[in-house]
Amino acid sequence: SQQGEEDPQALSIQEGENATMNCSYKTSINNLQWYRQNSGRGLVHLILIRSNEREKHSGRLRVTLDTSKKSSSLLITASRAADTASYFCATDGAGKSTFGDGTTLTVKP
Amino acid sequence: GAGVSQSPRYKVAKRGQDVALRCDPISGHVSLFWYQQALGQGPEFLTYFQNEAQLDKSGLPSDRFFAERPEGSVSTLKIQRTQQEDSAVYLCASSPIAGATKETQYFGPGTRLLVL
Repeated sequence: SQQGEEDPQALSIQEGENATMNCSYKTSINNLQWYRQNSGRGLVHLILIRSNEREKHSGRLRVTLDTSKKSSSLLITASRAADTASYFCATDGAGKSTFGDGTTLTVKP
Repeated sequence: GAGVSQSPRYKVAKRGQDVALRCDPISGHVSLFWYQQALGQGPEFLTYFQNEAQLDKSGLPSDRFFAERPEGSVSTLKIQRTQQEDSAVYLCASSPIAGATKETQYFGPGTRLLVL
């Protein structure tokens, strides 16, 4: 069973809008990572946030982590059609990464 | 520099056949992971190598699954007597350090296996 669960399962927005995805997990973690997967391709690492961090930025990406609520969010600002992909959170525990089932984001031009 | 490569990219097997999936990690990367990704789901951990040592194989679904990395670089995931439920994308990832889940993993494009 997956530890991380993304919400929503699917999200459709217009180009230029912001997209927010959430991830909840169940057990203590060392870090949480977000990955992007384009259709039929491998995963691309986006950002890593450690358990002692609360917020991290990378370009148009903003990730928050609330360890008391065991949740994280990924915000993509000013979305582009090229952001269309599936987004996964992965938690680190017991030496392995555990992925959720992802949020499928569609950005309409 | 080359990223992680996997071959074949697509494999169709008849039920009962054996298959071998290859992963070429980024040169010098210590850690290597195998994941199984079913359609519409996230990757699920299969096994982890640190150099040539298989330190964790707790995710392998059955004894039909076997992985090796004999020289600490290329890895092969072998599935014996394939079943329809083995149909999935098999992803390989590598990382330059040990304890790789603490840092970025670099993923290959995956091998899509279809068992008929």
